[in-house]
Amino acid sequence: NAGVTQTPKFQVLKTGQSMTLQCAQDMNHEYMSWYRQDPGMGLRLIHYSVGAGITDQGEVPNGYNVSRSTTEDFPLRLLSAAPSQTSVYFCATLASGGDTQYFGPGTRLTVL
Amino acid sequence: RKEVEQDPGPFNVPEGATVAFNCTYSNSASQSFFWYRQDCRKEPKLLMSVYSSGNEDGRFTAQLNRASQYISLLIRDSKLSDSATYLCVVNKASNTGKLIFGQGTTLQVKP
Repeated sequence: NAGVTQTPKFQVLKTGQSMTLQCAQDMNHEYMSWYRQDPGMGLRLIHYSVGAGITDQGEVPNGYNVSRSTTEDFPLRLLSAAPSQTSVYFCATLASGGDTQYFGPGTRLTVL
Repeated sequence: RKEVEQDPGPFNVPEGATVAFNCTYSNSASQSFFWYRQDCRKEPKLLMSVYSSGNEDGRFTAQLNRASQYISLLIRDSKLSDSATYLCVVNKASNTGKLIFGQGTTLQVKP
């Protein structure tokens, strides 16, 4: 099993560009989340999903969109990249009734 | 005020030392509590869950005090491999995957 995979690992964008960060899981977990991690800030929740077709906003949703058409995939879209979105992005999953959240390896995004 | 607060450190300790990290959370309705470990430039991984009765896993002991809204992690006989950032994590609502993370406490164990 691959667990949680994220692509790309690294990305550099120019201000105003759009892109999609991919997240996929093969553990059949219902819950998926996107976090960003900035120095001194810890991980902050961007969006989360409790199942296919259901998404909700986290702490810092502005500038990001998500959709969950399948259990396996939870892409994060940056609509118009800004330098403030320079960060490390982690996708995570959780099984219903489970305790452990499993994280992908992260995407390191730089916006110039 | 942050929902989950930790002293960022760094804590620099010699091998074999005992070190304790503390964490406070603001929402008294929080349901479950965890310590995650994050190595440099890697993803966080669950270290242990924290229960009201306290729990121990080898050299690691976690405690929860709901009345004081306080969580602790004790590491005994520190190893070089314990060097990492330790994240205090709170789940406000069970079964949503919606975790709130502290900023982390950095531990550096020196020979």
